[in-house]
Amino acid sequence: NAGVTQTPKFQVLKTGQSMTLQCAQDMNHNSMYWYRQDPGMGLRLIYYSASEGTTDKGEVPNGYNVSRLNKREFSLRLESAAPSQTSVYFCASRRQGNYEQYFGPGTRLTVT
Amino acid sequence: QQPVQSPQAVILREGEDAVINCSSSKALYSVHWYRQKHGEAPVFLMILLKGGEQMRHEKISASFNEKKQQSSLYLTASQLSYSGTYFCGIANFGNEKLTFGTGTRLTIIP
Repeated sequence: NAGVTQTPKFQVLKTGQSMTLQCAQDMNHNSMYWYRQDPGMGLRLIYYSASEGTTDKGEVPNGYNVSRLNKREFSLRLESAAPSQTSVYFCASRRQGNYEQYFGPGTRLTVT
Repeated sequence: QQPVQSPQAVILREGEDAVINCSSSKALYSVHWYRQKHGEAPVFLMILLKGGEQMRHEKISASFNEKKQQSSLYLTASQLSYSGTYFCGIANFGNEKLTFGTGTRLTIIP
């Protein structure tokens, strides 16, 4: 089992560019999450998906869109990147009936 | 609203004990504890549910005080491997969303 995988590991964007962060899990989990982590701010939820076909906003959804492509994959899109979106992005998944979230290795994004 | 963790940082010698607190201004249903080592992803330690028992993970235990809306993490006889940043996350009943605190950085020195 690979667990939760994220691509890319690192990315540098210019302001205004767009990109999609990919996340996949092979644990047959129902719920998937996108967080961002900034120094001194902890982990903040951007969007989550309780099941295939559903998505919902978290604390900081502005400037982001998500797609739950199928049960395995949950992508995060930045349509027009801004320097304030410089952060480390973590994807996580959780099995229904279980509380533990499994995190991917993260994507370090820099917007200049 | 984000829970408040204290202290923000602590340095211990190997073998010493530590307590990390997590407080919320709202009533809690569950408190989740995670540990993140530098450059790595957060890893789940334990969860405490309203009305549930104190939990334990190796020599790390935690309690949940519903009245005070607070959870505490107790690290006993700390080991070098305990170094990292500890986050608490809170959730309401039936709520998918976890709101994390800003973390407590724990450094264990030999």
